[in-house]
Amino acid sequence: GAVVSQHPSWVICKSGTSVKIECRSLDFQATTMFWYRQFPKQSLMLMATSNEGSKATYEQGVEKDKFLINHASLTLSTLTVTSAHPEDSSFYICSAHGGTQETQYFGPGTRLLVL
Amino acid sequence: GESVGLHLPTLSVQEGDNSIINCAYSNSASDYFIWYKQESGKGPQFIIDIRSNMDKRQGQRVTVLLNKTVKHLSLQIAATQPGDSAVYFCAENIDRSNDYKLSFGAGTTVTVRA
Repeated sequence: GAVVSQHPSWVICKSGTSVKIECRSLDFQATTMFWYRQFPKQSLMLMATSNEGSKATYEQGVEKDKFLINHASLTLSTLTVTSAHPEDSSFYICSAHGGTQETQYFGPGTRLLVL
Repeated sequence: GESVGLHLPTLSVQEGDNSIINCAYSNSASDYFIWYKQESGKGPQFIIDIRSNMDKRQGQRVTVLLNKTVKHLSLQIAATQPGDSAVYFCAENIDRSNDYKLSFGAGTTVTVRA
C-alpha cells in the first residue's frame, strides 16, 4: 500500500516552454500532497503544500506564478513549471499523506532538464 | 534553517557489519520522526518511524533510537548488504497543525564495501 506515482519520470524541454508534472496516489486518498525540489547531492527542499480543493501554500522564496500547483482530486496533484529556464532544471519529487496519517510517501521523482 | 541535521555526510561499511547513522534535531517540540532511504535517481523510500513517546523501535534489520534529552536520532542497520547503499535522510514533523510538514536533514551517504 501507500504507492505514489509521478509522470513523466524525465522530461527535456526548451527554455521558455511550460512543463506539467503529475503526482498520483494509487491506493489511498491523499488529503495533502507536497512538492519538493532536489539538486544533486543535496537534501529535499519543500516547495509547496497542496490540499485538495484549495490553493497551495508555497514556501518562502518559491514563486507561485512560476510553479503552478493544482490539486483537483484526492488522488491527483499537478505541478506546472511555467516559462522554464535552465536554472529550473532539477529533480522534482512529490509526496502524499492521507487523513491523519503523518507519514509522507514519496513518488519516484521527475527529472527536468531545460535547454 | 533546517532543524534536522546529520552528524556525518558519508559512511563506508563492510558488507555484513552493522551500520549506525546519526541525526541531530533542534526542535524540542517535534514529536514524530521518520527515516527515509533514497537510491540514486529515485524518490525517498520510507524505512521506519518513531514517535516521541518511544525511545526505540525495531523493524526488519533496522532499529531507530530516539534520545530526547540530547535531541538525537539514530538508525541502525543490521548485517548491512550491498542493497543498503543509498542516501539516508532523517525527517521530523515540524508542524502537525499545518499539514504535517516535514523538515529533512542533509542526508548521509552509505557505501557498502564488498
